[in-house]
Amino acid sequence: IAGITQAPTSQILAAGRRMTLRCTQDMRHNAMYWYRQDLGLGLRLIHYSNTAGTTGKGEVPDGYSVSRANTDDFPLTLASAVPSQTSVYFCASSVSWGDDEQFFGPGTRLTVL
Amino acid sequence: AQSVAQPEDQVNVAEGNPLTVKCTYSVSGNPYLFWYVQYPNRGLQFLLKYITGDNLVKGSYGFEAEFNKSQTSFHLKKPSALVSDSALYFCAVREPGYSSASKIIFGSGTRLSIRP
Repeated sequence: IAGITQAPTSQILAAGRRMTLRCTQDMRHNAMYWYRQDLGLGLRLIHYSNTAGTTGKGEVPDGYSVSRANTDDFPLTLASAVPSQTSVYFCASSVSWGDDEQFFGPGTRLTVL
Repeated sequence: AQSVAQPEDQVNVAEGNPLTVKCTYSVSGNPYLFWYVQYPNRGLQFLLKYITGDNLVKGSYGFEAEFNKSQTSFHLKKPSALVSDSALYFCAVREPGYSSASKIIFGSGTRLSIRP
């Protein structure tokens, strides 16, 4: 059982380029989340999805978009990357929106130059 | 709006001594409170949560946390620290309810370092 997988593990990206971070879970969880982790700021929620077909904005959604076409996949897209998006990105899931034990992926380290 | 604060960036404890990692919160109504741990180059792992009931909550790896409503605190504790407890610890809070507005908010994290 893999749990949550994220790809790529790390990426260096030129500013202005488009990038999609992939997230897949095999636990059939309904809720999924994208966070960014920055030193001194902890984790901040970018976007979330309560269930397949629905998405919502978190604390810091600007510059990011998500889709949830099915239960397992929740990709995060940076349409035109900027240096301030340099961060470690974590995908997470939980059984349902109200079930607060979240399971986290290993993270993607993204550097935008 | 809810918020959570971890006043210490780093806590240093000798192995075998008790440890405390502090957390205070602000939320409307009765809070849902959580602790997560992050080991190097890994995602966060759930440790424990308080929803209601006994103010002392027991979790994974021998950790426990005490909910104190009057002090709006939810400090993480362990009676005897292990070197393997060295990691980054996050407190989190959520307002009760299941609306999409009720999101979990994480603190900035406290790095716990246990010296042999």
